[in-house]
Amino acid sequence: DAGVIQSPRHEVTEMGQEVTLRCKPISGHDYLFWYRQTMMRGLELLIYFNNNVPIDDSGMPEDRFSAKMPNASFSTLKIQPSEPRDSAVYFCASSLAGTLQRHTQYFGPGTRLTVL
Amino acid sequence: AQTVTQSQPEMSVQEAETVTLSCTYDTSESDYYLFWYKQPPSRQMILVIRQEAYKQQNATENRFSVNFQKAAKSFSLKISDSQLGDAAMYFCAYLVEEGGSEKLVFGKGTKLTVNP
Repeated sequence: DAGVIQSPRHEVTEMGQEVTLRCKPISGHDYLFWYRQTMMRGLELLIYFNNNVPIDDSGMPEDRFSAKMPNASFSTLKIQPSEPRDSAVYFCASSLAGTLQRHTQYFGPGTRLTVL
Repeated sequence: AQTVTQSQPEMSVQEAETVTLSCTYDTSESDYYLFWYKQPPSRQMILVIRQEAYKQQNATENRFSVNFQKAAKSFSLKISDSQLGDAAMYFCAYLVEEGGSEKLVFGKGTKLTVNP
């Protein structure tokens, strides 16, 4: 299996621009998670989906952030407008319920976002 | 709120020696899951080992094993025969399922250096 795929791996943009991060979960997985990692706050859960439906978005910092999962194999995290404090590494992870490995999340390689 | 504490920001070990990384967590739940993830300089989050709280037997994965003390809420990771490739940040994480929602809470991490 290819694992969780994220694109782009690096993104540099200017303040005020729209940024879209993309994720393809492991095939067959029914949970998808978006995390943000910074030096100050560590790893934080932003939002997660189950069967393409958002379950908990309490970690989304503000209205500038939005996430969608139009189908089982694709999700996006959008920041509009972006700000320098959004600079971080954003991870996508997926997991599969109903198996012995349920609740085990497998992470993608991350997207390093820099907002100038 | 659940919290995960890794009291050792940095640790070092000689190649081929054994090292133990500490982790404690705070919870009132009886059923939950614990994980150790490794993050090398490539920043990929790699699952090292997982433990179900209902299992008394400590999990092992090759050179990696845990010492799970449920009453003490302690979950340490032992790395035997340390190798240069083990150098990374190690994150302890806790997951509980509540009312259909599940969240993975991470500690701040321990940076492990392996000396040749």
